[in-house]
Amino acid sequence: GNSVTQMEGPVTLSEEAFLTINCTYTATGYPSLFWYVQYPGEGLQLLLKATKADDKGSNKGFEATYRKETTSFHLEKGSVQVSDSAVYFCALRGNAGGTSYGKLTFGQGTILTVHP
Amino acid sequence: ETGVTQTPRHLVMGMTNKKSLKCEQHLGHNAMYWYKQSAKKPLELMFVYNFKEQTENNSVPSRFSPECPNSSHLFLHLHTLQPEDSALYLCASSQEWVDFSTNEKLFFGSGTQLSVL
Repeated sequence: GNSVTQMEGPVTLSEEAFLTINCTYTATGYPSLFWYVQYPGEGLQLLLKATKADDKGSNKGFEATYRKETTSFHLEKGSVQVSDSAVYFCALRGNAGGTSYGKLTFGQGTILTVHP
Repeated sequence: ETGVTQTPRHLVMGMTNKKSLKCEQHLGHNAMYWYKQSAKKPLELMFVYNFKEQTENNSVPSRFSPECPNSSHLFLHLHTLQPEDSALYLCASSQEWVDFSTNEKLFFGSGTQLSVL
């Protein structure tokens, strides 16, 4: 079945540092890939997505590129802010042709803490 | 504010109690979901309802019983839970269960933090 593996957290950075959170996946067919963010005390929100190989999703300064050859979708931001402190979830949705059609599979989440 | 409201925000219950979690959305969505979020584990899909019909039950123990009386409301009835069931329970909704429109996304509530003693 499908699975998503994220880098272990927590990740602690100083403000304006460069961020990378690694995400790799295992899936049949051609899944869509997502990053969700969960701010303290809130539910998950979609941050960005990519639906096919080599697509780059971007939002709020965050970027991730769908790399089919390495089955990866790493999240990056050039300069983090204190307000970016949250839990980040990588996820995939099985598309037509896969055995998990339409289902979202999440990684375990990575806690990011940004200090001033 | 995502438009998905969950109550209560926090719940403490004993193993012999019966309680219910409530989720409400007025976004006009037809699919609603229950997820379980435990520390250091992937978010686990528990149940999916599409047009009020249950379409997914991911081998969830029978001590968790979902109910979807209409497309705006979703309940999770809890009975004789175990301490390992302590977690954050998230409700989500989307336009449809399989939604490949350009604006597809799940809308999550803030969750109910459940502690089982």
